[in-house]
Amino acid sequence: AQSVAQPEDQVNVAEGNPLTVKCTYSVSGNPYLFWYVQYPNRGLQFLLKYITGDNLVKGSYGFEAEFNKSQTSFHLKKPSALVSDSALYFCAVRERSGGYNKLIFGAGTRLAVHP
Amino acid sequence: IAGITQAPTSQILAAGRRMTLRCTQDMRHNAMYWYRQDLGLGLRLIHYSNTAGTTGKGEVPDGYSVSRANTDDFPLTLASAVPSQTSVYFCASSEASGANVLTFGAGSRLTVL
Repeated sequence: AQSVAQPEDQVNVAEGNPLTVKCTYSVSGNPYLFWYVQYPNRGLQFLLKYITGDNLVKGSYGFEAEFNKSQTSFHLKKPSALVSDSALYFCAVRERSGGYNKLIFGAGTRLAVHP
Repeated sequence: IAGITQAPTSQILAAGRRMTLRCTQDMRHNAMYWYRQDLGLGLRLIHYSNTAGTTGKGEVPDGYSVSRANTDDFPLTLASAVPSQTSVYFCASSEASGANVLTFGAGSRLTVL
């Protein structure tokens, strides 16, 4: 079965500093990987995805993620954090099981950006 | 604004009662999903529907049922609620059944006492 792991429950960053939210994956075959963000009392919003092609994927709100096959990682990054980036971030992998596709989500990482 | 509408936003329910969470989308997406979000566990898929008239079981289907009579609506029913079903429930949809990019509703917070 496919899975993703987010090793950090929380990441703290000062505003203006670069941020990284980590994600590692375990898949058979080529991975379809995603990042979603959840702001307080809201549903998840899609940030970016990797399916194939360039290992560096650019997404919404200035976020990017780097697919690293040798390290089985898909870390989310941003060069300069904003206080408004504070939210819950989920990594996900697509799995095909029982004849249907579904997203398997990590447990989430809470990002806190301090002024 | 196109998107997903969930109702109710929040509900407190006595154990043993029946409850239906409503979900409506106006994007004409073929696939719809119900997830529950629990602290430390992320999101887990309860049921899904690849197209109107079809449904399937996800990772944690026990105690829940769904129907998909048309493209827009995908209600989730708890026939007899139990405290372990206390959670935040999210409805989502995607254009196709590939589950690539999901659009989520704002969630329904359910407390079962």
